[in-house]
Amino acid sequence: EVQLVQSGAEVKKPGESLKISCKGSGYSFTSYWIGWVRQMPGKGLEWMGIIYPGDSDTKYSPSFQGQVTFSADKSISTAYLQWSSLKASDSAMYYCARGGSYSDYWGQGTLVTVSS
Amino acid sequence: EIVLTQSPGTLSLSPGERATLSCRASQSVSSTYLAWYQQKPGQAPRLLIFGASSRATGIPDRFSGSGSGTDFTLTISRLEPEDFAVYYCQRYGSSPPWTFGQGTKVEIK
Repeated sequence: EVQLVQSGAEVKKPGESLKISCKGSGYSFTSYWIGWVRQMPGKGLEWMGIIYPGDSDTKYSPSFQGQVTFSADKSISTAYLQWSSLKASDSAMYYCARGGSYSDYWGQGTLVTVSS
Repeated sequence: EIVLTQSPGTLSLSPGERATLSCRASQSVSSTYLAWYQQKPGQAPRLLIFGASSRATGIPDRFSGSGSGTDFTLTISRLEPEDFAVYYCQRYGSSPPWTFGQGTKVEIK
């Protein structure tokens, strides 16, 4: 069974760094792109970009380029989304999803709250 | 960047009725590269349709997708109670970024 399991909710202060994770199982993790999607409270879905765990190739949406970093550790089938300096406006639910085009499997989401 | 505009914003219908959701693109989209998702409160999105008209695994046949160029449609032939949710279209393809529409909420009338 294909599963993507994300790390738990985070509460951070502005300026802090954060790395959230997405662990894949039940399929060949290095053979599928992993995408990241943001959903701000009460709002729609925003495509952030994708990473190919096989070679760590990445494609970022211009809206998120330079604001976040994708990485992956294929030895443990885990993808990461990280921020070096969080802002209050980064407060949102973040989903990882399998697929470099459409996404057929999704993680449960990680809620990130940034507040002083 | 291709912008997707969904209409209506909210659709109020009764169980058993037919739902027709629209997704219009600002530029022509290859029909190979249009997907639809369903999202219920507190849940992750679920893939319904890819390639404009292909149902994802396990999706009931009351869901169908159609369209080409700049106009795409998701049809739910007979609404079941579990179909009341928010629906998003997504454009993907060969040249990122991919984009989502703003969503259509299907609510119980």
